[in-house]
Parts: sequence; structure tokens; C-alpha cells
Amino acid sequence: DIVMTQSPLSLPVTPGEPASIFCRSSQSLLHVNGYNYLDWYLQKPGQSPQLLIYLGSNRASGVPDRFSGSGSGTDFTLNISRVEAEDVGVYYCMQVLQTPLLITFGPGTKVDIK
Amino acid sequence: QVTLRESGPALVKPTQTLTLTCTFSGFSLGTTGMCVSWIRQPPGKALEWLARIDWDDDKYYSTSLKTRLTISKDTSKNQVVLTMTNMDPVDTATYYCARIRLVSGPQGFDYWGQGTLVTVSS
Repeated sequence: DIVMTQSPLSLPVTPGEPASIFCRSSQSLLHVNGYNYLDWYLQKPGQSPQLLIYLGSNRASGVPDRFSGSGSGTDFTLNISRVEAEDVGVYYCMQVLQTPLLITFGPGTKVDIK
Repeated sequence: QVTLRESGPALVKPTQTLTLTCTFSGFSLGTTGMCVSWIRQPPGKALEWLARIDWDDDKYYSTSLKTRLTISKDTSKNQVVLTMTNMDPVDTATYYCARIRLVSGPQGFDYWGQGTLVTVSS
């Protein structure tokens, strides 16, 4: 199975400052169609996860533009340009290997306010 | 608008079979590219994908759990059902269903249910 790792696992942040979360896959997520099959989710306290980024760098509908995804192959980054208090929660990366279909989440990065 | 809602027992005994139903609205599993997955989350732990069923009735399962899982759909009722056999206390978790569309690649789980907590205990 593909193993997903994230760093850091805990990230204290200061509102207004940038923040980055890293995700690494044990095998390449670059599909032959040129897309990276890597998503990012945020699970706010007490809520269901919500989609932030899909196919590596596409912001989901309604997601503020302070969130951006980058990377290719095995190494990916979620950037928050200016953290807001509402961004606290656990961030997960997720890979979607297609053949055979295997979906794996990373261990999560807990973001809270310093 | 798109909504999903999970339903099922809150408590099951070890060795029993769990049956969960995801009832959704705002889309049809008869539409090309539409899929529904089940994902679970033990208390305080990370998310774990379980299974997916597609508009064309293709089914996919977690490698580690595939011998215990069955996913099915009733397109006319807008429901997806997951059964998990031989339940164990380690299966205690919040179980979510979520929608994903396949359009030149998977578009992410864009809608989630609120989750249902299932406790396995005698």
C-alpha cells in the first residue's frame, strides 16, 4: 500500500502569518494525464472534513484563495498565505491511486493558534 | 443542494454485522462520473477510506478490510449501503459517506455527511 506522511504533525500558527504543511507519498501520484492525484482536506473541530484542494493544486469551490496546493510526484505542499483564526483544525492529505483504486489519507497535521 | 446523511445503529456487539445507509440528495448515482465512498475515523485518530461505488456499479474496497466489506447502491432511492461483518471494538469509529465525481480525474470528496458514531461493545 502507498504510505502517506505529513510534516509537521503539529503546527502552532500566528494569525496573519503564512503557514505550510508538507505531504509525501511512498510512490508517485503523477497520473499519465498530467494531474497529481493528491487532495487536501481540513477537518475543523467537531465537523466533517471539507475539501480544500483536489488534483494537487485545484482549489475547491468556495475555498478562500489564501489556500494553495503545489508539488508533483511524491512531494506536495499546502500553503496558507495568511492564517486566520477559522483555519484551525486537522489538515489531511489524501492520495487516490487509480489502478487498482486505493485511497490513503495522511496522518494529519493539527493546526492551532499560538 | 447536495446533502448526504448516514444512518445505522449506534451500538453493535462484537462479531455482529454492521449495516450503514447513506441517503443523499442533490445528485444521482445514475449520472456518469458520480461515486460515493465510505470513510471512517476512530476517536482521536486519522481518516481511513473503506469503499467506493461508482455510477456504473463498479466497486472498490480497502485492501485491509475487503474481506469484511460489501457496498451496494439503490439508485432509485438515492442510497448507498455498507455492510461490515465480524465487528470488533477496534472498529469503533465515526463513519462518513462522501461524494466524489470523476471528471478527467477524481475531483475530491466535495460533499460529506455529518458522520455517524458506531461503538462496538458487548
